[in-house]
Amino acid sequence: AQSVTQPDIHITVSEGASLELRCNYSYGATPYLFWYVQSPGQGLQLLLKYFSGDTLVQGIKGFEAEFKRSQSSFNLRKPSVHWSDAAEYFCAVGAKEYGNKLVFGAGTILRVKS
Amino acid sequence: NAGVTQTPKFQVLKTGQSMTLQCAQDMNHEYMSWYRQDPGMGLRLIHYSVGAGITDQGEVPNGYNVSRSTTEDFPLRLLSAAPSQTSVYFCASRTSGTGVYEQYFGPGTRLTVT
Repeated sequence: AQSVTQPDIHITVSEGASLELRCNYSYGATPYLFWYVQSPGQGLQLLLKYFSGDTLVQGIKGFEAEFKRSQSSFNLRKPSVHWSDAAEYFCAVGAKEYGNKLVFGAGTILRVKS
Repeated sequence: NAGVTQTPKFQVLKTGQSMTLQCAQDMNHEYMSWYRQDPGMGLRLIHYSVGAGITDQGEVPNGYNVSRSTTEDFPLRLLSAAPSQTSVYFCASRTSGTGVYEQYFGPGTRLTVT
C-alpha cells in the first residue's frame, strides 16, 4: 500500500525567507501527488498536484513542488514566505491501483516569524 | 456554486449518543468521501462512495455508517458515540473516472464526545 511521510511536524521560518517542506512517499509505480494547505479552522485547499509530465509543478500562492522519482520525494517550496502562509500543509498520494483513494501525510505546521 | 457544505460546524455529544453529520455538494461529483483528522495523524479515510447506492469502507470505518441515496448528499452516522471519535471530520468530493483527481473539501465538523 502507498504511504506518505512528512518528516517535519513543525517548521518555523522568518517572513521573507525561503521555505521547503519535505514529503516522501512509498509506492512502486508513478503516483499522483498533491499538496494541500489548511488554515486554522478551515478545510483543505489544493495548492498543486503532479500527475505526469514536467516534474516541477507550479501552484497557487507562489508555491512550487518538484517530483523526484529517484528520491521518492515531492517537496514543496516557496522562495519568500509571507505571514499569511502560516498554516498546516499536507502531502497526499493517490494511485489507480489503490482505487484512486488518497493517503495523507501527518502534516507539517508552518509558523512564520515577523 | 457552494461547493462542499457540512453541518454542523461544531457538536458536543455524550458517550452513547447518536448523530448524523451532513455533507452535500453541488458539483455533480460521483465520488464522495469522509475523513477524520487527528493531531499528528493527518487525514484518514472513513468511508467513501463512487456513486448513488454504492458505498465502501476506508481505513477507519468502525463505529460509522454511511449511505448514499442521492448524488448530492453523503451523511455520516455515529450510532453510539465514543470518546475515541472526538475529531474533526471532513467531507470531500471529486469527479469520478479512471484517473486520480483533485478532491474538494468541506469546512469540517469539529466533534467532541464526553
